[in-house]
Amino acid sequence: GAVVSQHPSRVICKSGTSVKIECRSLDFQATTMFWYRQFPKQSLMLMATSNEGSKATYEQGVEKDKFLINHASLTLSTLTVTSAHPEDSSFYICSARFGTGNYEQYFGPGTRLTVT
Amino acid sequence: GEDVEQSLFLSVREGDSSVINCTYTDSSSTYLYWYKQEPGAGLQLLTYIFSNMDMKQDQRLTVLLNKKDKHLSLRIADTQTGDSAIYFCAEKSYGQNFVFGPGTRLSVLP
Repeated sequence: GAVVSQHPSRVICKSGTSVKIECRSLDFQATTMFWYRQFPKQSLMLMATSNEGSKATYEQGVEKDKFLINHASLTLSTLTVTSAHPEDSSFYICSARFGTGNYEQYFGPGTRLTVT
Repeated sequence: GEDVEQSLFLSVREGDSSVINCTYTDSSSTYLYWYKQEPGAGLQLLTYIFSNMDMKQDQRLTVLLNKKDKHLSLRIADTQTGDSAIYFCAEKSYGQNFVFGPGTRLSVLP
């Protein structure tokens, strides 16, 4: 099956700094990538959807200036958490899909962000 | 908005069958999925079913869909300790994003 990787798997940063998380589709071209956030013992919350070469579409309540998403190529999307605060600590999961009507969506292994 | 509900916890004994239930509200759901999440890991697609199907079986996994009641279930036969995880039900309509349930934490007791 299709593989999606994320890097890093875990990151600890200090308050006020920025951290970038990479999401790559390894064996397919991801026309659409999704970024989710998962709080402990909770379900996934969709943060934004990005199509290659265009601006991301953010879900209601997600600050676009705080969570910068770049989808510069068909195999790479990045999420940058700017001026991180402890409340940004969470598990971030990316997902990728090929095509607009395709029902198959593949998830990365997640990145655990801890802001101290 | 559309909603997906699941019971939050399920405990079974090793070797027994597990049945995880899910209900959804979107009558236009086209695809329904079961994902497995182990601690500290991402989501692993277990199986999916199209809305025009009633049942799908894949080795130890059986998915039943009652479209009239908008009810989906996942049965795991001969449950093993390695099946302990959180299981997410998700639905998707054509052209729409996934909607996930809250997840069911399955504990397998020896």
